[in-house]
Amino acid sequence: KQEVTQIPAALSVPEGENLVLNCSFTDSAIYNLQWFRQDPGKGLTSLLLIQSSQREQTSGRLNASLDKSSGRSTLYIAASQPGDSATYLCAVPTNFGNEKLTFGTGTRLTIIP
Amino acid sequence: NAGVTQTPKFRILKIGQSMTLQCTQDMNHNYMYWYRQDPGMGLKLIYYSVGAGITDKGEVPNGYNVSRSTTEDFPLRLELAAPSQTSVYFCASRSSGGYQETQYFGPGTRLLVL
Repeated sequence: KQEVTQIPAALSVPEGENLVLNCSFTDSAIYNLQWFRQDPGKGLTSLLLIQSSQREQTSGRLNASLDKSSGRSTLYIAASQPGDSATYLCAVPTNFGNEKLTFGTGTRLTIIP
Repeated sequence: NAGVTQTPKFRILKIGQSMTLQCTQDMNHNYMYWYRQDPGMGLKLIYYSVGAGITDKGEVPNGYNVSRSTTEDFPLRLELAAPSQTSVYFCASRSSGGYQETQYFGPGTRLLVL
């Protein structure tokens, strides 16, 4: 059974710092890995999707990497801003197909002005 | 496009009552999902559907029922509400395309069972 872990559960950093969020998964036979953002009281918004054939995916100040062999992914946020404060969740396909996702419990990020 | 919409936003139920959580998407997505999110527990899949008339259980289906009569709508039914069903419920949808497709989420329904 696929399990996804995100450590730490919460992280606070001063504004302007670069930071890394971690995601690990137990079954490396995945087709992709996704990072989502969740603002308080809101639904999830997809940030980045990395295909299994890719090592990195970038969107603005965000860079996600994927190492299938070690079962790890990182989300790098450059020059953090207070608006980056949110919970970040990673997710991988639950099964051989891509119909279902298994989510991590998320990292709650607070950027201190 | 409105995307994925959910109603109601918040509801208080008494133990034993029933209710239906509504979910509608206007993106013509074949796949639709219901999740619940408990504090610190991540999202758990309740039910999902790969098309009209086709539904299947997820990880935590007990106490819930679903139907999918149209592509747009995927209601979630709670028949006998229990305190353990206090949670935030999210509906999501996805295109049936390849492995580059992501899920789009609604804003959630917060349910309190007392």
